[in-house]
Amino acid sequence: QKEVEQNSGPLSVPEGAIASLNCTYSDRGSQSFFWYRQYSGKSPELIMFIYSNGDKEDGRFTAQLNKASQYVSLLIRDSQPSDSATYLCAETGGTSYGKLTFGQGTILTVHP
Amino acid sequence: NAGVTQTPKFRILKIGQSMTLQCAQDMNHNYMYWYRQDPGMGLKLIYYSVGAGITDKGEVPNGYNVSRSTTEDFPLRLELAAPSQTSVYFCASTSQGYGYTFGSGTRLTVV
Repeated sequence: QKEVEQNSGPLSVPEGAIASLNCTYSDRGSQSFFWYRQYSGKSPELIMFIYSNGDKEDGRFTAQLNKASQYVSLLIRDSQPSDSATYLCAETGGTSYGKLTFGQGTILTVHP
Repeated sequence: NAGVTQTPKFRILKIGQSMTLQCAQDMNHNYMYWYRQDPGMGLKLIYYSVGAGITDKGEVPNGYNVSRSTTEDFPLRLELAAPSQTSVYFCASTSQGYGYTFGSGTRLTVV
C-alpha cells in the first residue's frame, strides 16, 4: 500500500523566515507530486506540483523532488502569517487515473 | 464558473439513517473523486470515477456507494450511518491530473 509521510509538526517559524516542509513516499512508481495548502475549516487548494527531479520555483514557493531518495519538499521563503495553514503532500502514479495518496499534513504557524 | 459544488455543507445523522452527499462540477472534467478527512489526518479516497457510468473503489469504500450517470454529477450515498463515518467529505475533479479542484466540503456528524 502506498504511503506518504510528512515531517511531524506543528512547525513554527518567525515572519520572514524560510519554512521547510518535507515528505517521503514509499512507491517508486510515483510520478507526480503535489503540495496543497488547507486553511482551518476550508478545502485544500493546490500550491504547486512537480514531476521532474530538481527544483521548481513559483514566487515564494520552491518544490524540490529527489526520486532516488523518494523525497519531496516545499520551501516557503519570506514566510508570512497568512501562510499559517496545514500543508498536505500528495502523490500519484502514471496509471492511477489521477488518484492522489495524501500525507497526514504538517501544521505551519508563522508568528509575527 | 462555480467549479465543484457540494451540498449540504453540514449534516447531523442518527445511527442507521441514510443520506446522499451531492457533488456537481461544471468544468467538464472526466475524473471525479470522493475523499474523507478525519481530524488531524490527510485525505483518504473513498470512490472515484473516470467518466459517466464508470466508478471504482478507493482505499476506504465500506459503507458507501456512488453513481455517475452524467459527467457533471457524482453523488455519494451513505447507507446505515455509523459513528465511524463522522468526518469531513470532499469531492474533487480534474481533467488531466494536474491537481484537483475541490468542493467546499460536507461536515457530517453521526450520533
